[in-house]
Amino acid sequence: DGGITQSPKYLFRKEGQNVTLSCEQNLNHDAMYWYRQDPGQGLRLIYYSQIVNDFQKGDIAEGYSVSREKKESFPLTVTSAQKNPTAFYLCASIWTGGPYGYTFGSGTRLTVV
Amino acid sequence: KNEVEQSPQNLTAQEGEFITINCSYSVGISALHWLQQHPGGGIVSLFMLSSGKKKHGRLIATINIQEKHSSLHITASHPRDSAVYICAAPTGNQFYFGTGTSLTVIP
Repeated sequence: DGGITQSPKYLFRKEGQNVTLSCEQNLNHDAMYWYRQDPGQGLRLIYYSQIVNDFQKGDIAEGYSVSREKKESFPLTVTSAQKNPTAFYLCASIWTGGPYGYTFGSGTRLTVV
Repeated sequence: KNEVEQSPQNLTAQEGEFITINCSYSVGISALHWLQQHPGGGIVSLFMLSSGKKKHGRLIATINIQEKHSSLHITASHPRDSAVYICAAPTGNQFYFGTGTSLTVIP
């Protein structure tokens, strides 16, 4: 079945360590997105990529980095510069070639201790 | 002003009650998503709809594209329906999300 795979579902890291969250899709979608959710708040855009080897900052990009070396993969690195990394992270994708190609991953819950 | 507004923010219901969650949006879209998030859990996509109504079990989603409004209904609510429900409005190149409705169903 086609879809987005985010792994792992739960992730624990020590403060000061970089951590990379995986997002893989087999839908041939062009655009991919990373969102962050804090308790009691809505989802906010971190980074997005509309084509391979290109990506744009969202509203809260500071302390994060991404890469888009392959169409199907859009990993997000939470760096030690991110002051409050503990949050829920959601990956999504859009097929820009038609009206109904939208898909969401199940998310990764990152806890930094 | 948010592009997507959900109401209510919080909702508590007795088991068996009929529940309605509303979503209004200001962006032009071709389809709208309803997502479910259980406490401490991941996101599950419930519906994607572009017109009319969709039904899955006890869940019903409706959308009026002209009025830019969608509703999610839960019939015969059950404690396992307790979750946050989020509407998502995708435009051509990004998503706009509502802030979510936190539903608690009491036995």
